[in-house]
Amino acid sequence: KAGVTQTPRYLIKTRGQQVTLSCSPISGHRSVSWYQQTPGQGLQFLFEYFSETQRNKGNFPGRFSGRQFSNSRSEMNVSTLELGDSALYLCASSLVSGANVLTFGAGSRLTVL
Amino acid sequence: GENVEQHPSTLSVQEGDSAVIKCTYSDSASNYFPWYKQELGKRPQLIIDIRSNVGEKKDQRIAVTLNKTAKHFSLHITETQPEDSAVYFCAAEDNAGNMLTFGGGTRLMVKP
Repeated sequence: KAGVTQTPRYLIKTRGQQVTLSCSPISGHRSVSWYQQTPGQGLQFLFEYFSETQRNKGNFPGRFSGRQFSNSRSEMNVSTLELGDSALYLCASSLVSGANVLTFGAGSRLTVL
Repeated sequence: GENVEQHPSTLSVQEGDSAVIKCTYSDSASNYFPWYKQELGKRPQLIIDIRSNVGEKKDQRIAVTLNKTAKHFSLHITETQPEDSAVYFCAAEDNAGNMLTFGGGTRLMVKP
């Protein structure tokens, strides 16, 4: 059974650009959550999608957005990148929405120059 | 929303000793408390979780205890081994059971 797949694994952008990250959940999992991980801030919740609907949203500016497709794959987008957006972005899938067992992907490491 | 505090931020123990990591949470309605382990350069993985209808759960060398009255829960690792070295995150669900809020993490170092 394939795990959670995130692409790209590494990327470098410059300030002002935008970026799109992709996450393919475990087959059969319908919920995808996104987290930002930085050394000083731990795991910060961005948002969760379930059945193509955003169910929950963390405390991030509107520059951070996401969506989910009918096959449960999810994308997140960050527009007008800032230096502080440099982080590891992790997605996690679970069978159902809410506080359940999360299976994380390997993450997409974004560096903003 | 839920607030989860985790202590200590770093913990160094000698191989074979025990390690204890503590977390407090703010929402008395929280019912689900997982622990994740993240080895260097790898993804977080669930190692144990507990729901509020039990006070303690064990899995080999790992145990979690929950005190709902005091709103805190702890991870206990006995007979630590070098492969236990990692960052450990606790988490608690929010009051609607909709999402997990993570603690800041504890870097555990087990010295051989």
